[in-house]
Amino acid sequence: EAGVTQFPSHSVIEKGQTVTLRCDPISGHDNLYWYRRVMGKEIKFLLHFVKESKQDESGMPNNRFLAERTGGTYSTLKVQPAELEDSGFYFCASSQTSGRQETQYFGPGTRLLVL
Amino acid sequence: EDQVTQSPEALRLQEGESSSLNCSYTVSGLRGLFWYRQDPGKGPEFLFTLYSAGEEKEKERLKATLTKKESFLHITAPKPEDSATYLCAVMTTDSWGKLQFGAGTQVVVTP
Repeated sequence: EAGVTQFPSHSVIEKGQTVTLRCDPISGHDNLYWYRRVMGKEIKFLLHFVKESKQDESGMPNNRFLAERTGGTYSTLKVQPAELEDSGFYFCASSQTSGRQETQYFGPGTRLLVL
Repeated sequence: EDQVTQSPEALRLQEGESSSLNCSYTVSGLRGLFWYRQDPGKGPEFLFTLYSAGEEKEKERLKATLTKKESFLHITAPKPEDSATYLCAVMTTDSWGKLQFGAGTQVVVTP
């Protein structure tokens, strides 16, 4: 079974440019999450999709970040315009909904550097 | 405010030297506590989920335990391949799906 995949693995852009990150969850997983780790900080939750609907977007830092999950399959996270403080690692995770709890399986991440 | 604190920040062990990592938490209501390991340049890899105080889970040289205030990850007779950053995360009863992570413990096991 293929795991969570993310593209690109790394991206270097200039301040003010736009970047779009993509996440393909494990097949059959209805839940998809975005997290990020910026320099010196712990991994922080950004948002949670259930199928194509946003269940919780309380972690999105501001309106420069836009996440979509059309059709309930893959998801994109767009940063527009990018700022220096957006540099860090962006992780996607997915899970099924079963029983008492869902285990979240993470992708390899996208390393974003904003110059 | 919910908090997750891991200690120590870093741990250097000789091969075979057993030790424990700590994850203390303060949350309104615990839905589950998760342990992950993360290797450089990779995403977190799931290890265990613990739901209630007194619960224990084991996998190879790793054993996780849970009390009402903290969780321990015991590493028995570690090998160099156990070198990684170990992350603790909690999910609360009022934030379904949202993992709150600690800063992690970086473990280095030398031959």
